[in-house]
Amino acid sequence: DAGITQSPRHKVTETGTPVTLRCHQTENHRYMYWYRQDPGHGLRLIHYSYGVKDTDKGEVSDGYSVSRSKTEDFLLTLESATSSQTSVYFCAISGTSGGVTGELFFGEGSRLTVL
Amino acid sequence: AQKITQTQPGMFVQEKEAVTLDCTYDTSDPSYGLFWYKQPSSGEMIFLIYQGSYDQQNATEGRYSLNFQKARKSANLVISASQLGDSAMYFCAMRFTGNQFYFGTGTSLTVIP
Repeated sequence: DAGITQSPRHKVTETGTPVTLRCHQTENHRYMYWYRQDPGHGLRLIHYSYGVKDTDKGEVSDGYSVSRSKTEDFLLTLESATSSQTSVYFCAISGTSGGVTGELFFGEGSRLTVL
Repeated sequence: AQKITQTQPGMFVQEKEAVTLDCTYDTSDPSYGLFWYKQPSSGEMIFLIYQGSYDQQNATEGRYSLNFQKARKSANLVISASQLGDSAMYFCAMRFTGNQFYFGTGTSLTVIP
């Protein structure tokens, strides 16, 4: 299994508080991603990174920021959490030649509840 | 804009029968990759099968095969000889230029004994 760990795995917070989710990989893969999963919406790309300090927006980036200061770590920050950001967040990684097909490898997910 | 469509929110199949899960996509990129993932109730995402846009043959992986019709922009997953453990959510995904991956909304498959 690909070495991806997400923390925290579960978090309950209040509206307006900042939240940071961490994704750590031990595979030295170039690409890292943050997705959110909501019923009826599948997985939607929030932000992704194609190298250290190189990031770009996905399809649902409003209200989220990311940082990647090291190859192995990709942080997702909610500056001021809202109830609409209650979701399960998945981190994923991909190498340019990762796996046989360059597929995504996923972390176990982080369940965030914003009250 | 890139778009992935899965039109079947839920599907039922009898154990040991085959089932086809639909996926269509829309892109103007000539080079792309198509993926299927399985998500059991435990929540992890499991990679099943891959098809490259230039691949001439349909991909197969054990009981999984991908019915790739490029002109129709469809990449349906076929699961043969369904098993109870196949009950899960199934997601179609595309990899576009820049190594961006986008997912469909998923199909919930239930295998009936």
